[in-house]
Amino acid sequence: EIVLTQSPGTLSLSPGERATLSCRASQSVSSSYLAWYQQKPGQAPRLLIYGASSRATGIPDRFSGSGSGTDFTLTISRLEPEDFAVYYCQQYGSSPPGSFGQGTKLEIK
Amino acid sequence: EVQLVQSGAEVKKPGESLKISCKGSGYSFTSYWIGWVRQMPGKGLEWMGIIYPGDSDTRYSPSFQGQVTISADKSISTAYLQWSSLKASDTAMYYCARQVDIVAYVDYWGQGTLVTVSS
Repeated sequence: EIVLTQSPGTLSLSPGERATLSCRASQSVSSSYLAWYQQKPGQAPRLLIYGASSRATGIPDRFSGSGSGTDFTLTISRLEPEDFAVYYCQQYGSSPPGSFGQGTKLEIK
Repeated sequence: EVQLVQSGAEVKKPGESLKISCKGSGYSFTSYWIGWVRQMPGKGLEWMGIIYPGDSDTRYSPSFQGQVTISADKSISTAYLQWSSLKASDTAMYYCARQVDIVAYVDYWGQGTLVTVSS
């Protein structure tokens, strides 16, 4: 089973700043089958990025994903107030239905 | 419009049985996989298992194998998650989630069903 480790656990930033979230896998993620989700309090998760770098429909271009193999990154170029939430990475390339990271909480500084 | 609508919140006692549902609409229900994801209070997301309603092919994550049963009734476009004997540790929010293939990301989520198990 592939274990995903996200860092940092909590990231404190101000609106307008750049956020960089990391997701590291215990083994190589095949075909960059890596997704990122955003979850706000009291809501279901929402797909942001799939295939490591493809934005989902309707996702603003300030969100971008990169990486391959075992190291992946979600970058939010300029934080908007609505971006403060918890972010999860998920690998879906092995052991269906895949596994999630433990999450990174992005909070307002 | 694709929608996954889940059944309402439940409050149960330990040892009781429960079946919660997830009704899909706005797409071909038999052509997509439906998974179930657990989120315990204040915690992260955990995959429980997944089903293909077209032929009822079902896979479970090792941690949940034998603990729950996933099923689907394609005639009414509804997937189910059930327990035969609930424990206090089953208290959580449960989400259903759609994906286009067994090796795929989740593109749509249900709104969640809160299950509370308490004596």
